[in-house]
Amino acid sequence: GAVVSQHPSRVICKSGTSVKIECRSLDFQATTMFWYRQFPKQSLMLMATSNEGSKATYEQGVEKDKFLINHASLTLSTLTVTSAHPEDSSFYICSALEARGKKEAFFGQGTRLTVV
Amino acid sequence: AQKITQTQPGMFVQEKEAVTLDCTYDTSDPSYGLFWYKQPSSGEMIFLIYQGSYDQQNATEGRYSLNFQKARKSANLVISASQLGDSAMYFCAMSLYNNNDMRFGAGTRLTVKP
Repeated sequence: GAVVSQHPSRVICKSGTSVKIECRSLDFQATTMFWYRQFPKQSLMLMATSNEGSKATYEQGVEKDKFLINHASLTLSTLTVTSAHPEDSSFYICSALEARGKKEAFFGQGTRLTVV
Repeated sequence: AQKITQTQPGMFVQEKEAVTLDCTYDTSDPSYGLFWYKQPSSGEMIFLIYQGSYDQQNATEGRYSLNFQKARKSANLVISASQLGDSAMYFCAMSLYNNNDMRFGAGTRLTVKP
């Protein structure tokens, strides 16, 4: 299957700082990328959908000013957690679709964020 | 939005036996896809199997098969000949064809006993 690379896999940051997470599709062009958040022992919760060249669509309850998403190219989407707080500590995972209507979304390896 | 329900928080199965993980869904949209993913402790999401809403036959991928009952809106995963490496979290997911965003169920933790 197609490869989606997510970086970094783990990050520890101080409270109040910002953290950027990258999601790259390595062997295909991703018109749409999704960002999920997963708390321990819970399911993946969709945070936002990003389409290349347009603004991301955020799910209800997700602060768009806190979780900045940029999908500037067909192979890269970034999630920036701004002014991070300990409650933002979580597992963040991205997925990418090659083209609209494709059956399978390919997932990155995930990023474990710890805010201290 | 679509809703996915997995009612089994945890399941146990003896090695080499078969196990069924339940998944029901709810949507008024006739065009959708159903997925099962495996998530080991490392966190990666491993795609297992896909079933389209218009597919006439149940999907199969090696030891995985999907028992698709459209009228009951269920998409249960059957794992045959369980192996110790099958121990993991399993998530059922659904994607509508018109928006592609994938929603997940709560997950089932499967433990395979030797």
